[in-house]
Amino acid sequence: EAQVTQNPRYLITVTGKKLTVTCSQNMNHEYMSWYRQDPGLGLRQIYYSMNVEVTDKGDVPEGYKVSRKEKRNFPLILESPSPNQTSLYFCASSLGGFTEDTQYFGPGTRLTVL
Amino acid sequence: AQKVTQAQTEISVVEKEDVTLDCVYETRDTTYYLFWYKQPPSGELVFLIRRNSFDEQNEISGRYSWNFQKSTSSFNFTITASQVVDSAVYFCALSEEERGATNKLIFGTGTLLAVQP
Repeated sequence: EAQVTQNPRYLITVTGKKLTVTCSQNMNHEYMSWYRQDPGLGLRQIYYSMNVEVTDKGDVPEGYKVSRKEKRNFPLILESPSPNQTSLYFCASSLGGFTEDTQYFGPGTRLTVL
Repeated sequence: AQKVTQAQTEISVVEKEDVTLDCVYETRDTTYYLFWYKQPPSGELVFLIRRNSFDEQNEISGRYSWNFQKSTSSFNFTITASQVVDSAVYFCALSEEERGATNKLIFGTGTLLAVQP
């Protein structure tokens, strides 16, 4: 089944404890993105990647890192999480840029930073 | 600067009513793309439509239709004869082509549609 998977789905952590949210797609997509969703703010793009080893900042990259060492995986890294990073996170992928191709979203990861 | 405004935070209708979700965008680019996504209560995001700035034709897909008007910078979404399964948060989004911004997607804040039986 074609899908985007994220792990974990739920995570409660404490300030400063490094964490990684994994994202994997099995559709051989070139493009991948990370978004965060907050009440009243909609979705905001954190980072995106156009291919292996090619990443760029979205609108809210501060406090996050990403890597794209393999085409299928695009992990989101929080080196020192803070409470303002409590949010619902979505990973997404598309074959080409999403101005041309449909973007598929993962199920979301709900992160709470205490 | 680019911006997407969905002024309707919540809308409640009764089944079979028609409902229109408004989306107003701001951009200085001449080439841009507009999108609608649906987020049902289960939480996943589902792509509904993409429209580029050179295609002002309205689109109809079953009970869904979209009205793109560059003159008013609007890309409104209408659901005809709404059903309970249409209950969801709907997001409008914008991507600009110039300055290499096609991989950046700006979302509105969403409209929660509740369809009552």
